[in-house]
Amino acid sequence: DAGITQSPRYKITETGRQVTLMCHQTWSHSYMFWYRQDLGHGLRLIYYSAAADITDKGEVPDGYVVSRSKTENFPLTLESATRSQTSVYFCASSGPGPTSPYEQYFGPGTRLTVT
Amino acid sequence: QKEVEQNSGPLSVPEGAIASLNCTYSDRGSQSFFWYRQYSGKSPELIMFIYSNGDKEDGRFTAQLNKASQYVSLLIRDSQPSDSATYLCAVRGNKLVFGAGTILRVKS
Repeated sequence: DAGITQSPRYKITETGRQVTLMCHQTWSHSYMFWYRQDLGHGLRLIYYSAAADITDKGEVPDGYVVSRSKTENFPLTLESATRSQTSVYFCASSGPGPTSPYEQYFGPGTRLTVT
Repeated sequence: QKEVEQNSGPLSVPEGAIASLNCTYSDRGSQSFFWYRQYSGKSPELIMFIYSNGDKEDGRFTAQLNKASQYVSLLIRDSQPSDSATYLCAVRGNKLVFGAGTILRVKS
């Protein structure tokens, strides 16, 4: 039972390149989220999805694109990477329950460095 | 003013002591409150949530909520070195907002 996985775990890319971070969950959770975590800023929401084919912007969506064609996958694409997008990216999901979608379970993270 | 504020720490406590972590929030309409623990280099892990005024206990952890004063706290009794981590407060208003976290160090 893998839960929620992210790939790659580490990525170095150059400015201007397109890069896609993958997120996969096995719980059939309806909600999925992408956060970035930077020193001093805590976790900031990039995009979220309430269900397949339903996505919405979070706090810091500029420069990112998401899609969700299947419930279990929620890829995040940086269309043209910039150094300011160097960060640790976490995917999270949330299932049914009284605190859904705020009770969230996080993947292991992807450390992205843009040179 | 940040929506969710936490003292960055580090908060240092001796093993066996009570660690008290505090969080204040600005949105009076906030409805539920979450505490996540994050070990260095790892992902956040949900440890408790609370949505009613008062205390909620779970093992060595107690969450305390005071909506009138707009603060939520996490008490860790009998602190252990394995409790050393960053503790993130998250507050749900019309969205979930995370604080930047408090670093806790438990010294043996």
